[in-house]
Amino acid sequence: DTGVSQNPRHKITKRGQNVTFRCDPISEHNRLYWYRQTLGQGPEFLTYFQNEAQLEKSRLLSDRFSAERPKGSFSTLEIQRTEQGDSAMYLCASSLGGAGRGYTFGSGTRLTVV
Amino acid sequence: LAKTTQPISMDSYEGQEVNITCSHNNIATNDYITWYQQFPSQGPRFIIQGYKTKVTNEVASLFIPADRKSSTLSLPRVSLSDTAVYYCLVGLGMDSSYKLIFGSGTRLLVRP
Repeated sequence: DTGVSQNPRHKITKRGQNVTFRCDPISEHNRLYWYRQTLGQGPEFLTYFQNEAQLEKSRLLSDRFSAERPKGSFSTLEIQRTEQGDSAMYLCASSLGGAGRGYTFGSGTRLTVV
Repeated sequence: LAKTTQPISMDSYEGQEVNITCSHNNIATNDYITWYQQFPSQGPRFIIQGYKTKVTNEVASLFIPADRKSSTLSLPRVSLSDTAVYYCLVGLGMDSSYKLIFGSGTRLLVRP
């Protein structure tokens, strides 16, 4: 098992374009999370899935953001009509059960909107 | 979830012991204290978690006084590779929570 994998590692896009990121969690983990991190700040919670069900969405997740986890395996995070304020590191994490020591983050996708 | 306060930055030298203190005055009875480490261009990594007194693992020690209103992460004999941001989080324990609330963390710089 190679941990939580995120692709792409870097994405540069023009304002107004749509982007999609992928996260492959640790295979036996039933929970999957998305976080966003801007420069100099800690990660901020966006949403989480238990298996294929999306159980919570942060108010940070505007209507332009959508996340899916079909079949409870990998997940995608799509941002439509990107804005410069969307530039950030998008982190995915997974866990088996609660969010304590079993919470494993990926290396993130760095999005730059120009 | 209890708010945490920790120093914005700290400097140290290789081989020294580093202690990072976190204040969490409003910690609840069921809350655990967890520390994460984050290197540039990587996601945070779990270091240690505790509820009271002292916890030690191969990486660090965590000291929690009886009133639990603060905690101290201790890194023995730091090396250059310990340069990172360290986050103190307070919330429910391993099996009860799902969301992590990060502050801005402490940027530790280890110098040769």
